[in-house]
Amino acid sequence: AQTVTQSQPEMSVQEAETVTLSCTYDTSESDYYLFWYKQPPSRQMILVIRQEAYKQQNATENRFSVNFQKAAKSFSLKISDSQLGDAAMYFCAYRADPTYGNKLVFGAGTILRVKS
Amino acid sequence: DSGVTQTPKHLITATGQRVTLRCSPRSGDLSVYWYQQSLDQGLQFLIQYYNGEERAKGNILERFSAQQFPDLHSELNLSSLELGDSALYFCASSVDLGVGNTIYFGEGSWLTVV
Repeated sequence: AQTVTQSQPEMSVQEAETVTLSCTYDTSESDYYLFWYKQPPSRQMILVIRQEAYKQQNATENRFSVNFQKAAKSFSLKISDSQLGDAAMYFCAYRADPTYGNKLVFGAGTILRVKS
Repeated sequence: DSGVTQTPKHLITATGQRVTLRCSPRSGDLSVYWYQQSLDQGLQFLIQYYNGEERAKGNILERFSAQQFPDLHSELNLSSLELGDSALYFCASSVDLGVGNTIYFGEGSWLTVV
């Protein structure tokens, strides 16, 4: 079974600093996608970044980047130049081949607090 | 705005009652997913429909059922409600079954069972 683990229930970062959120996953699939979603206090689920397992290059979206280590089954999110608006719950998610149902499998989430 | 519309946004009902949550996917999206977010359990996958047919089933209770209609909107029916069913219920949609396609989430329906 595919599982996603976020071992940090809560993290804090000073405004303008960099923070890394950790995520590990377990799968026997060779092709899959990994995602980070942000859930602000409004509870809306917002896609932050995605990574295809076959791509060696780490994905980047503005201040957000990932460190994808396929062999280690690790997918961390780095937020640079943190802003107050980055404060939210962050979920790591996994999605694989539609044969098994291509639903998103989520981790438990990490609450990110940004200090001014 | 994700383009996924969920109604109602908030609902308070008593134990033992039945409610229906409605979802309109993004225009052109064929796949609909339902997720439950409880305070202590994160986001749990309930069920997926693709073009009117059930595609995958997760930890959905027998008291819960869903369907996707020909116009692609979906409904999640929750019956014999218990206090523990209080949660935020998300509907999400994607254009097809492609694994890399973005899944867009609605704003959720808050269900409080009293």
